[in-house]
Amino acid sequence: DAKTTQPPSMDCAEGRAANLPCNHSTISGNEYVYWYRQIHSQGPQYIIHGLKNNETNEMASLIITEDRKSSTLILPHATLRDTAVYYCIVRDRYNNNDMRFGAGTRLTVKP
Amino acid sequence: NAGVTQTPEFQVLKTGQSMTLQCAQDMNHEYMSWYRQDPGMGLRLIHYSVGAGITDQGEVPNGYNVSRSTTEDFPLRLLSAAPSQTSVYFCASSYQPSSTDTQYFGPGTRLTVL
Repeated sequence: DAKTTQPPSMDCAEGRAANLPCNHSTISGNEYVYWYRQIHSQGPQYIIHGLKNNETNEMASLIITEDRKSSTLILPHATLRDTAVYYCIVRDRYNNNDMRFGAGTRLTVKP
Repeated sequence: NAGVTQTPEFQVLKTGQSMTLQCAQDMNHEYMSWYRQDPGMGLRLIHYSVGAGITDQGEVPNGYNVSRSTTEDFPLRLLSAAPSQTSVYFCASSYQPSSTDTQYFGPGTRLTVL
């Protein structure tokens, strides 16, 4: 079973920020939060990951709450090409094999 | 670099047939894995390998065999295909088997078992 809970779907207007929530209330101190996305049945694509500090890269920002029980992926200026299924995954830092994908959130960016 | 490549892209099998799904990477990654994705669901880990000569089972290993004779290749074998194995299969790799290392995924093999 996945260790995360995400809403099944969300919409976002093109050019606006997309905020995708994820609950991981049972996360342990050794576990990272990872985000991947899957566009149109292609292979999943890495977006960002973090342990406890907020992270930002060229694709997105990751905001992790202080208690680490939830996080938010932010796409600052969503485009139509960001329409995809977004997966929030909790992974043990010492065990690459524990990457369990849930059903994810289907984000639809609308013009 | 070609990254992670998978062949074939599409395959149709009859129940009981066997076949091998190919996966190769040219990034000198130690860690490789196979996932399956059923409609509307996330990915589930089938088998993985932390280096040449080393393989282990994931979440859903039954009906599948793997081997890792080289760093580059990680084939997945279906010994006797069943309709329940109809799925999309993804191969992934990363430099090291560490959660701080990003996994790169191939384009997938779409398998239908009749």
